[in-house]
Amino acid sequence: EVQLVESGGGLVQPGGSLRLSCAASGFTFSTYWMHWVRQAPGKGLVWVSRSNSDGSITSYADSVKGRFTISRDNAKNTLYLQMNSLRVEDTAVYYCVRVNTGAYHFDHWGQGTLVTVSS
Amino acid sequence: QSALTQPASVSGSPGQSITISCTGTSSDVGTYNLVSWYQQQPGKAPKLMIYEVSKRPSGVSDRFSGSKSGNTASLTISGLQTDDEAAYYCCSYAGSSTFYLFGTGTKVTVL
Repeated sequence: EVQLVESGGGLVQPGGSLRLSCAASGFTFSTYWMHWVRQAPGKGLVWVSRSNSDGSITSYADSVKGRFTISRDNAKNTLYLQMNSLRVEDTAVYYCVRVNTGAYHFDHWGQGTLVTVSS
Repeated sequence: QSALTQPASVSGSPGQSITISCTGTSSDVGTYNLVSWYQQQPGKAPKLMIYEVSKRPSGVSDRFSGSKSGNTASLTISGLQTDDEAAYYCCSYAGSSTFYLFGTGTKVTVL
C-alpha cells in the first residue's frame, strides 16, 4: 500500500524557516516524481513545487521561488521542503503528492502537515 | 496565472446527475488533455477521480465521468449519492512555466 506521511509542520514567526519531510513507503520512491501542494485554511489547492526522480530537476510556483527548496533522499525514501523567509500567506496544509512517471496527475496524497506563520 | 474557474457550489437530489465545469484558457485546459479531478472530503486529503480528461483510476466508480470542450473541462456525477458530498477540484497542466493550475473548487451538496 502506498503511504506518504508528512511531518515538520508547526507555528513559526514571519521571516522564519521550517523544513517539512515526507516519508514514502509501499512503492519504489526513487522512480517517481514527487510534488508539494498546499491548501490555505478554507481555501483551494495550490501547486508549490516538484522534483524529478533523482532530484536533478526541480520546479517552483512563482509565489515560493527563491524561498523554498525541494529535495529528496532516495536512500531514505524521503522528500523534503525547506521553507525560508516564511510569510503569513504561506500558512497552509502542505501535502506531499506522488506523480507517476510520464503522467501529469497526482495519484497519491499524504494526509498533510499544517504550517502556521504568525507573530 | 490565475486559478481555473469553477462554480462555488452545485447541488442535486439522490439519483440525479450533476455537472461541474472548469474553465481555463488556451494556455492550459485548451492546449493540454491533462485535466484531472479530485474529490476532497472535509478534513481529508484529496483523492484522484479522473485523469487525462476522461480516464478513471481503478477503484473509482463509473458514475464519475469527465470531458472537455475548448477551454472548459467538465466532471459529471451520475446517480448522485449522499457520500458524493464533498469539494471537487479540477487541475490542468499549464506548460513549463506555470506547471499546474487548480480550479477554485466546487462544493457538491446532495439534497
